[in-house]
Amino acid sequence: DVKVTQSSRYLVKRTGEKVFLECVQDMDHENMFWYRQDPGLGLRLIYFSYDVKMKEKGDIPEGYSVSREKKERFSLILESASTNQTSMYLCASSEKTSKYYNEQFFGPGTRLTVL
Amino acid sequence: DQQVKQNSPSLSVQEGRISILNCDYTNSMFDYFLWYKKYPAEGPTFLISISSIKDKNEDGRFTVFLNKSAKHLSLHIVPSQPGDSAVYFCAQDNAGNMLTFGGGTRLMVKP
Repeated sequence: DVKVTQSSRYLVKRTGEKVFLECVQDMDHENMFWYRQDPGLGLRLIYFSYDVKMKEKGDIPEGYSVSREKKERFSLILESASTNQTSMYLCASSEKTSKYYNEQFFGPGTRLTVL
Repeated sequence: DQQVKQNSPSLSVQEGRISILNCDYTNSMFDYFLWYKKYPAEGPTFLISISSIKDKNEDGRFTVFLNKSAKHLSLHIVPSQPGDSAVYFCAQDNAGNMLTFGGGTRLMVKP
């Protein structure tokens, strides 16, 4: 059974704190993604990685960084949390190439509140 | 500007009736559209896809229709069940390892 896990389901942090969100997948997938979900805006891509130590900016990378030291683990870092980063954060993974469509498998999400 | 739009933020349907969720797109260069379903406190899960060379794909109670000339696709659920109540996202797969998601439609199926 495929699995993507995220380190926390709920997180409350203060403005200016450094925040780490961890994601682990057990499917040996090459691609990993970080999204945030906000009402009416759907899922917006923050960063993605197609290999260890590789990263690419998504649509909204400002205020975020990522780290991928091992294939199964992809971390999202908020260097200095701000209230507008209060959101649901979703991690996903997928195979590098797919014969048909690029199905992404998602973790359960982390609800982050920045006070 | 959003490349993939779901103009109805919510939809309410009676159990047993048809649910129709709509999605519009601007970029015609794609290989697949995917629909994802999301329950509260869970990550999205894949539901059904449609290839750009097809105009219909059916899987049990779920059917997706693609109208390329109108740049429009729709997801039909027949018959709707209370367990179908969730947020539905359409997503465009441009074969670049990435998906572009719409804003989502919250479906409520009343018993």
